[in-house]
Amino acid sequence: DAMVIQNPRYQVTQFGKPVTLSCSQTLNHNVMYWYQQKSSQAPKLLFHYYDKDFNNEADTPDNFQSRRPNTSFCFLDIRSPGLGDAAMYLCATSRDLGQSYEQYFGPGTRLTVT
Amino acid sequence: AQRVTQPEKLLSVFKGAPVELKCNYSYSGSPELFWYVQYSRQRLQLLLRHISRESIKGFTADLNKGETSFHLKKPFAQEEDSAMYYCALTSGSRLTFGEGTQLTVNP
Repeated sequence: DAMVIQNPRYQVTQFGKPVTLSCSQTLNHNVMYWYQQKSSQAPKLLFHYYDKDFNNEADTPDNFQSRRPNTSFCFLDIRSPGLGDAAMYLCATSRDLGQSYEQYFGPGTRLTVT
Repeated sequence: AQRVTQPEKLLSVFKGAPVELKCNYSYSGSPELFWYVQYSRQRLQLLLRHISRESIKGFTADLNKGETSFHLKKPFAQEEDSAMYYCALTSGSRLTFGEGTQLTVNP
């Protein structure tokens, strides 16, 4: 089945220790997104890639970076995680940009910061 | 700025009863509105979008621009409808979600 895969499903890191979350897709979609969802809150867009073009949301902290080495993979790097970065991180893809293109979500990675 | 509000965090109904999940939005342009659903232990997935004007799993939603609302309705709720429902608005590529409503349908 074509899908969006996130690894690991659960990640524990220490305060200040860099961590990388991984997303891969078999849909061959052009766009990949990263969302942060804190407990009982709405998913919040951090950034997206359209092909190799990176688009950061204005209020995304500098602590969050992303890489997309090829069409299939996209990584979320948190350089120095703080306790406030504990959240569910959702990866999504869409075939193209624009309102008419559905976003397909992965199962998420739950990040715990100790 | 665009904003989506779902006033009810929790909603509980009995099987067979009508259900309405409320969604209000603020957006200066012409928005496209969606409902996403997340069943227990499953990923977030699209339920329906206003532009399609379709009924999915018995759910419908009508965009009311005058009231800036996009409420989700189903005349007869089923137990399998129990899930987290998110209303979302898109402009360009950005999806803005509401905080979600947890619907529980009791037998």
